[in-house]
Amino acid sequence: AQKITQTQPGMFVQEKEAVTLDCTYDTSDQSYGLFWYKQPSSGEMIFLIYQGSYDEQNATEGRYSLNFQKARKSANLVISASQLGDSAMYFCAMREAYNFNKFYFGSGTKLNVKP
Amino acid sequence: DADVTQTPRNRITKTGKRIMLECSQTKGHDRMYWYRQDPGLGLRLIYYSFDVKDINKGEISDGYSVSRQAQAKFSLSLESAIPNQTALYFCATAQGRPGQSTGELFFGEGSRLTVL
Repeated sequence: AQKITQTQPGMFVQEKEAVTLDCTYDTSDQSYGLFWYKQPSSGEMIFLIYQGSYDEQNATEGRYSLNFQKARKSANLVISASQLGDSAMYFCAMREAYNFNKFYFGSGTKLNVKP
Repeated sequence: DADVTQTPRNRITKTGKRIMLECSQTKGHDRMYWYRQDPGLGLRLIYYSFDVKDINKGEISDGYSVSRQAQAKFSLSLESAIPNQTALYFCATAQGRPGQSTGELFFGEGSRLTVL
């Protein structure tokens, strides 16, 4: 069975500091994709970053980076220089590389950025 | 305007009523999905479709049906709504073929359904 685990239901971070949101996954597949989504209080789901299982470099998108440790099956999201607008729910997800229909989502981490 | 549009955004209904949630997209994507979000459970797949001739059940399809009226339109129906179907529902689209793109999901803004 494939599963995504986000062990931090909620986190606080001071504005302008960096924060790491944890994500571990369980799969027996060799090829897969990892995603992070942001859900603000308004409810929409916003795609942040993608990491392929064969990508050797950690993915980066602006202030977002994905700390990918394949042997540990972890795909932590790092947000640098936190902003008040980063306060939201964050979901980690995994998809089989050759099946675009099976996305597995974690239960999410609620991040609060303090001024 | 949003690329993936859901209507209605909010709906309150009573047990036993038929409800339809509609989704339309301007992204030109072939793949469309309906997800349900409950607090603490992440997102769970209800149905998905590759194209207008293809409909597939997800992990929680019982009590739901769908229709793919066109490439751009995918609707979700609750034939007889019950209170435990109270949730936030998302339509999503994706493009690409395995091995050719990341295939990330693009979500609509969500439809909040309350069944009394």
